[in-house]
Amino acid sequence: QKEVEQNSGPLSVPEGAIASLNCTYSDRGSQSFFWYRQYSGKSPELIMFIYSNGDKEDGRFTAQLNKASQYVSLLIRDSQPSDSATYLCAVNHQAGTALIFGKGTTLSVSS
Amino acid sequence: DAGVIQSPRHEVTEMGQEVTLRCKPISGHNSLFWYRQTMMRGLELLIYFNNNVPIDDSGMPEDRFSAKMPNASFSTLKIQPSEPRDSAVYFCASSSTTSPLHFGNGTRLTVT
Repeated sequence: QKEVEQNSGPLSVPEGAIASLNCTYSDRGSQSFFWYRQYSGKSPELIMFIYSNGDKEDGRFTAQLNKASQYVSLLIRDSQPSDSATYLCAVNHQAGTALIFGKGTTLSVSS
Repeated sequence: DAGVIQSPRHEVTEMGQEVTLRCKPISGHNSLFWYRQTMMRGLELLIYFNNNVPIDDSGMPEDRFSAKMPNASFSTLKIQPSEPRDSAVYFCASSSTTSPLHFGNGTRLTVT
């Protein structure tokens, strides 16, 4: 059973702080890792993806991957109230196969 | 790019009725996925197609659920007969080898 685990939260941070979202996965053969953001009542939208160990930065977002520990994280710098949403971690074994999603972490950024 | 198009946006039906959800993937995407989302179980994969061929339907709850993809631009998910426990948001998503997964706006299904 391939599983993706996330802390459901809610994670509450003040505006301007760094939000750290974490995810672990069970399938050691997983190759691609994704972070999606989902606002209440909306569909998930892709924020970032990462394939290799280490960090990948895109604006205020940094994805971190550690395959040895089967751990992937998302850091959001200078958090804004508009970042308040549920963040979904997703993993797939190889290209062309389906993404397996965690249940998501709810982030609340207070102004 | 119109994105993944799903219809209807909302469906309210009575237990025992047939429900058909529709999806048009992004043009050029060769993989199509049906997911179901509930508060309790999160986002669950039901079935996915590559090049119109069903690859993995192990997530389909039971025989009441069926999915088809008659061509590259259209897919349906059918529930017959529907039950209250089928109430959820159903998402269709598509991707290709060069484009990651994009979701449609979803269909919110309520079975009373």
